[in-house]
Amino acid sequence: EVQLVESGGGFVQPGGSLRLSCAASGFTFSSYTMNWVRQAPGKGLEWVSSITISSTIIQYADSVKGRFTISRDNSKNSLYLQMNSLRAEDTAVYYCAVYGSGNYFKSWGQGTLVTVSS
Amino acid sequence: DIQMTQSPSTLSASVGDRVTITCRASQTISSWLAWYQQKPGKAPKVLMYKASSLESGVPSRFSGSGSGTEFTLTISSLQPDDFATYYCQQYNSYPGTFGQGTKVEIK
Repeated sequence: EVQLVESGGGFVQPGGSLRLSCAASGFTFSSYTMNWVRQAPGKGLEWVSSITISSTIIQYADSVKGRFTISRDNSKNSLYLQMNSLRAEDTAVYYCAVYGSGNYFKSWGQGTLVTVSS
Repeated sequence: DIQMTQSPSTLSASVGDRVTITCRASQTISSWLAWYQQKPGKAPKVLMYKASSLESGVPSRFSGSGSGTEFTLTISSLQPDDFATYYCQQYNSYPGTFGQGTKVEIK
């Protein structure tokens, strides 16, 4: 069974930083492109970033480009999101998600809440 | 970016009803469309991919159709467990974009 477990969320002031982690199990992590998707309170879903299996192709939403950095450690079956220069509009639940046979999100973690507020 | 528009935004229905949700893309996406179900406080769960392929383990009362720019998700007989918010997502091109969601409420 695929399991994705996010951690690292919390409360941070505007301009601050957080690092999210996602621990994967139940599948061959090193064979799949991984993603972060977020959902602001009461709002819809927004893809944030993706990273291919060898980290050769990394993509970001325009809203986070230059501030967020995605990375992975295939030896640890882990995905990361370094978030810098955080803004109030970054407040959201952040989900780790794996692509299916095509770039749809086949499996999701339970999410971790990031709150940016003064 | 491709814009995805769902209708209606909210739908009130009763157990046993046939329910249809529409998703329109701002440009053609072939059949590269997925549907998700999300319950309050939970992660989304994929129901359909490639417009009409049922994800493993998803009940057969769910079906999807369409291609190009117009798509539908149909629940043939609404069950109590189906009251949730549904999202479509195109994955024809980066970035994969979602519709705004359709909340299915109890009538």
